Amino acid sequence: DAGVIQSPRHEVTEMGQEVTLRCKPISGHNSLFWYRQTMMRGLELLIYFNNNVPIDDSGMPEDRFSAKMPNASFSTLKIQPSEPRDSAVYFCASSGTYYEQYFGPGTRLTVT
Amino acid sequence: KQEVTQIPAALSVPEGENLVLNCSFTDSAIYNLQWFRQDPGKGLTSLLLIQSSQREQTSGRLNASLDKSSGRSTLYIAASQPGDSATYLCGSRGSTLGRLYFGRGTQLTVWP
Repeated sequence: DAGVIQSPRHEVTEMGQEVTLRCKPISGHNSLFWYRQTMMRGLELLIYFNNNVPIDDSGMPEDRFSAKMPNASFSTLKIQPSEPRDSAVYFCASSGTYYEQYFGPGTRLTVT
Repeated sequence: KQEVTQIPAALSVPEGENLVLNCSFTDSAIYNLQWFRQDPGKGLTSLLLIQSSQREQTSGRLNASLDKSSGRSTLYIAASQPGDSATYLCGSRGSTLGRLYFGRGTQLTVWP
C-alpha cells in the first residue's frame, strides 16, 4: 500500500497567486481530511469528506479556500488568491471502516 | 465541541526511562482515540488506535490506555530510546462522524 500521496511536497509562490494542493487517499478509504499545521495554531481541520461528499467545511478559513473530491481517489485544496498568512504545512489524511486516520507527508506552502 | 489537552507540552528524559504521556478530553462520548508521533518536518504516523469499547492497546514498547469516564488516555513508553524523540499527539473521535479533535502534542526528547 502506497499510503496517502500528496503533491507537491513543497510550494513557494507569490502573494496573489493560485495554489492547488493534491491528495490521493489510500485505496478503499471512504473518508478524506484536509488539515493545516502551524506553530501558532497547531493542527487544524479544514474540511473533510465522506464518500466524496463534504461533511464539515467549518474549518475553511475564508472563501479563498475551496476543496473538491471529484472521485474516491483524488481531492484538491485550492487557495485563490494566496496570502503570506496561508504559509503552513497542509496535510491530507484518509480513513476507512474503523476510522483509523492515516496521514500523508504534507505539503509545505510558503507564500511570499 | 470536543476539547483535547496534552500534558506535559515538553518532556526530556535520559535513555532507558519508562514514561507516561497524558491526554485528556472533555466529551466522554468518544468513538475512539488515536495516538500519533510526528518527527520534525514529517507527517503524522499512527501508533495506536483504541476503540471506545477497549481499555488498552499495546504495540511493542508502547501501551495506550483509555478511561472514558474520567476523560483520559495515557501513552506509556517503556525503556525509552533516543529514536523515540518526536512529538506525540492524541486525537479523539467524538460524536461527530469521522473527524478527530487533536491536542497540541507533547514534544519528547530522549537523550543518550
